[in-house]
Amino acid sequence: AQSVTQLDSQVPVFEEAPVELRCNYSSSVSVYLFWYVQYPNQGLQLLLKYLSGSTLVESINGFEAEFNKSQTSFHLRKPSVHISDTAEYFCAVKMGSSNTGKLIFGQGTTLQVKP
Amino acid sequence: DTGVSQDPRHKITKRGQNVTFRCDPISEHNRLYWYRQTLGQGPEFLTYFQNEAQLEKSRLLSDRFSAERPKGSFSTLEIQRTEQGDSAMYLCASSPTGLISNEQFFGPGTRLTVL
Repeated sequence: AQSVTQLDSQVPVFEEAPVELRCNYSSSVSVYLFWYVQYPNQGLQLLLKYLSGSTLVESINGFEAEFNKSQTSFHLRKPSVHISDTAEYFCAVKMGSSNTGKLIFGQGTTLQVKP
Repeated sequence: DTGVSQDPRHKITKRGQNVTFRCDPISEHNRLYWYRQTLGQGPEFLTYFQNEAQLEKSRLLSDRFSAERPKGSFSTLEIQRTEQGDSAMYLCASSPTGLISNEQFFGPGTRLTVL
């Protein structure tokens, strides 16, 4: 069965430091990859996605993620974090063969940015 | 606001009672999804509607759970004879017709507490 693993449940980091949130998936078929963010008391919001083409994708607020097919990974990075980036981050996949487009989520990583 | 809305936002009930949640998707989105998120975990897929047709149900959706989307617009999720293990956040998402890779837009969720 397809699965998504986020290797770190919590990542504490100081403001303006770089951060990487790791995500690995298991699938033998083509996938679409997503990162969602959940701020406290808010719903899930799409941060960025990989569908095809360039393996490096970027968000409008400075995050980027790189699709690595050989390592089945889609790690999320930001070179300098802000206090406002404190949130729960979820990696998710859709199977390219899916008829429904359902998302399979990882367990989530809590990013805690300290001043 | 034209996003996905869910009602109620919070529900506290006693074990054995029935509860019903409502989801209003973004207008003209024909795909609708229900997910369940327990504490410290990522969302898990429950069921999928394309217009009014329920096309996929997860094994997580026991016989006590039923979902409907009678006119292809709003959807309801009912849980009968609630159990403490049903305590979770229930999320609804919608996406437009077309590509499976299309983004899913999430509502704020309904938090269920079963006493």
